[in-house]
Amino acid sequence: QVQLVESGGGLVKPGGSLRLSCAASGFTFSDYYMSWIRQAPGKGLEWVSYISSSGSTIYYADSVKGRFTISRDNAKNSLYLQMNSLRAEDTAVYYCARDISGYVFWGQGTLVTVSS
Amino acid sequence: SYELTQPPSVSVSPGQTARITCSGDALPKQYAYWYQQKPGQAPVLVIYKDSERPSGIPERFSGSSSGTTVTLTISGVQAEDEADYYCQSADSSGTVVFGGGTKLTVL
Repeated sequence: QVQLVESGGGLVKPGGSLRLSCAASGFTFSDYYMSWIRQAPGKGLEWVSYISSSGSTIYYADSVKGRFTISRDNAKNSLYLQMNSLRAEDTAVYYCARDISGYVFWGQGTLVTVSS
Repeated sequence: SYELTQPPSVSVSPGQTARITCSGDALPKQYAYWYQQKPGQAPVLVIYKDSERPSGIPERFSGSSSGTTVTLTISGVQAEDEADYYCQSADSSGTVVFGGGTKLTVL
């Protein structure tokens, strides 16, 4: 069965960095686009970024462009999100999801808290 | 930036029909998707490509599209349907967007 497991969340100070990981299993990872979606506490869903199966196509939300970098390692069945210059408004649960849209499979999420 | 607009809340009594709308200029050209999210859980896809229902989703969930508005309809609402519902689509530039979400209350 498809499993997506995020890790790497935690407490970080404003201006700091964090790298999230998403370990995928139960499907041929290299065949699928992958996405990051976040949800601030008590707020709605916000799309963050997606990456094509080969890694050659990448899109970011304007709110994270220039600060976040999505990447993947198909040999390790893993998706990553490098987050730099973090702000308080980046505080959220970060989900990885399979596909570019119409997300059937989601991870359980990892909480990122940006606070001094 | 492109936006999808949903009503913040909808309330219905058990057994009635709930309709949740989502409006966006690109919806005539882009598919819409609907998610149900209960507290503390990841979202669940309930409608894809405007009106298709994934396997395992009850038949009381349906979707429709008309112009710049898509609608999620839940017929014969049950207490377990109380949740937040989000629409999702994309714009012509390739970026993905979610609506602000609608809290469905079953009275």
